[in-house]
Amino acid sequence: EAGVTQSPTHLIKTRGQQATLRCSPISGHTSVYWYQQALGLGLQFLLWYDEGEERNRGNFPPRFSGRQFPNYSSELNVNALELEDSALYLCASSPWEGPGPQHFGDGTRLSIL
Amino acid sequence: GNSVTQMEGPVTLSEEAFLTINCTYTATGYPSLFWYVQYPGEGLQLLLKATKADDKGSNKGFEATYRKETTSFHLEKGSVQVSDSAVYFCAFTGTASKLTFGTGTRLQVTL
Repeated sequence: EAGVTQSPTHLIKTRGQQATLRCSPISGHTSVYWYQQALGLGLQFLLWYDEGEERNRGNFPPRFSGRQFPNYSSELNVNALELEDSALYLCASSPWEGPGPQHFGDGTRLSIL
Repeated sequence: GNSVTQMEGPVTLSEEAFLTINCTYTATGYPSLFWYVQYPGEGLQLLLKATKADDKGSNKGFEATYRKETTSFHLEKGSVQVSDSAVYFCAFTGTASKLTFGTGTRLQVTL
């Protein structure tokens, strides 16, 4: 069974640009979660999608957005990039909403120059 | 508010030593508890879980018991190996489904 896959592995952008990160969940999983792992800030919850709908959002500005497609894959978009957006962005999936374990991909390393 | 407190690292142990990483949580309701491990350059791997009070999660020689009375979920291993060197995260999910993480504890095991 393939795990959660994320692309690209690395992404280099400059301030003010826009970034798009992609995630494919484990087959059969309908919920997708996004987390930011920034140096010194730990792992912070960004967004949760289930059945194509945004279900919950962390304490991030509106320039962080995303969507979930009918095949349950997901995109995270970050507009007007700032230096402090440099981080590892992790995607996770779970088979249903609720307090079950989430399974993580290897992440996308976003670097802002 | 909801939070997880982990012992700060780094923790440096010799191979075959006993490991304890403390974790306490503050959460409403009855959260599910998890330990995740992150090896260098990789994402998070689920190490073990416990979904109700007094449950013991175990995997690869690691164990943790869900203690509701002390709101704790301490990670233990009887004999660590060099290959266990990684960052360990304690986490929980509640009704909102998102994971709340501790700050992580770096473990370094030496020969």
